[in-house]
Amino acid sequence: DVKVTQSSRYLVKRTGEKVFLECVQDMDHENMFWYRQDPGLGLRLIYFSYDVKMKEKGDIPEGYSVSREKKERFSLILESASTNQTSMYLCASSFLGEQYFGPGTRLTVT
Amino acid sequence: EDQVTQSPEALRLQEGESSSLNCSYTVSGLRGLFWYRQDPGKGPEFLFTLYSAGEEKEKERLKATLTKKESFLHITAPKPEDSATYLCAVQAGTASKLTFGTGTRLQVTL
Repeated sequence: DVKVTQSSRYLVKRTGEKVFLECVQDMDHENMFWYRQDPGLGLRLIYFSYDVKMKEKGDIPEGYSVSREKKERFSLILESASTNQTSMYLCASSFLGEQYFGPGTRLTVT
Repeated sequence: EDQVTQSPEALRLQEGESSSLNCSYTVSGLRGLFWYRQDPGKGPEFLFTLYSAGEEKEKERLKATLTKKESFLHITAPKPEDSATYLCAVQAGTASKLTFGTGTRLQVTL
C-alpha cells in the first residue's frame, strides 16, 4: 500500500509567521503535489514536483514556495502566513497518473 | 482550460436505493479520468482510473463508466458506510497534474 504522511494534522499559526508543511511518501514516486481544499472551491493545485529539485507552479502559487531535496520528501512553505491561507492542505504522490493522498493538514492562521 | 463539473452537489439516498453521480468534463486530449472517495477531515482515497470511452470499472457496490464527454459513478444498493464526498478528476495532454471537480456529497440513511 502506498503511504503518504504529512507532518501535522492540525496547525495554528499567527499572521506573518513562516510555516513549513512536510510530506513524505514511501513508494519512490517521482511526482509529488501540494493542494489546498476549501468549501465550494474543491482541490486547487499549488505546486508540484516531477523530480528532486524540480518544481512547477500550479494554479494558485502566490504566497507559497516548495522544496524537494530528497525524492521522498516534498515541503510546502508559507513565507508569511496570512488569514486567507487558512485551509486544508493535502499532499499527494503519483504513479501513472494515479494520485495517492496524505491525511491532510488543517491550517488555521489567526 | 480543462473543466470538470460534478452533479448533483449533494445526494441523499435511503439504504438500498441505487443512483448515479455525474462528472462531465471538457479537456484537450484526455489521458485519464479518476474517481476518489473522501471522508470528512481526511485525504481523498483513490477508487478508479478510466482511460477511454466505453471503459467500465467495478469495486463492490460502485461502478464507474466513461463516455467522450462524461463519466458516471453508479452506486448499487448503497449502505450508510458509502456516505462520503465523491471526487472526479481528469488528466489531459502531457501534464502530470489533475483537474478536480468540486465533488458530490453523498449521504445514505437507514
